Amino acid sequence: DVKVTQSSRYLVKRTGEKVFLECVQDMDHENMFWYRQDPGLGLRLIYFSYDVKMKEKGDIPEGYSVSREKKERFSLILESASTNQTSMYLCASSSTGARGGTQYFGPGTRLTVL
Amino acid sequence: KNQVEQSPQSLIILEGKNCTLQCNYTVSPFSNLRWYKQDTGRGPVSLTIMTFSENTKSNGRYTATLDADTKQSSLHITASQLSDSASYICVVSAEVNNDMRFGAGTRLTVKP
Repeated sequence: DVKVTQSSRYLVKRTGEKVFLECVQDMDHENMFWYRQDPGLGLRLIYFSYDVKMKEKGDIPEGYSVSREKKERFSLILESASTNQTSMYLCASSSTGARGGTQYFGPGTRLTVL
Repeated sequence: KNQVEQSPQSLIILEGKNCTLQCNYTVSPFSNLRWYKQDTGRGPVSLTIMTFSENTKSNGRYTATLDADTKQSSLHITASQLSDSASYICVVSAEVNNDMRFGAGTRLTVKP
């Protein structure tokens, strides 16, 4: 059974703080993704990674960076959190090449920036 | 404008009733279409995946249809249960770079 875990379910940070969101998958998937989910907008891709130390910008990368030092772990970093980054953040992984395979999602982290 | 539009935005039905959710897309060239179910407080879980040549696929009480000519898909839920209360998200992938586009979802509430 595929398992994708995220480090926190709920997080409250202050404006300007550096924020780390961690994601770990246990199925040896090559591909990992970070999305944010806002009401009425659907999921929007922030960054994705096809391999260790490899990253690609998604649709809304501004204000975010990522790190993939190990195959199973993909981190999302908010260098200086802002209130407009208050959102639900979802991590996903998939096993096929490119971005078209079925994605397995983590439970999400609800981040509030005050 | 989103390339994947879902309707209705929300829906309330009584337990035991059937319902149909709609997904219209403009993503091109089309590769595949997935329906995901997202329970409150959880990540989305894949229900079905359909490619260009498939026009119907079932997963228990869930039946997805695809009309690639009109670029429409529907998800039909039969004999609804309280546990069907969730958001249902349509995701369409393009052949170019397998780019995935997400709909905003339909929030379904099943009441006893």
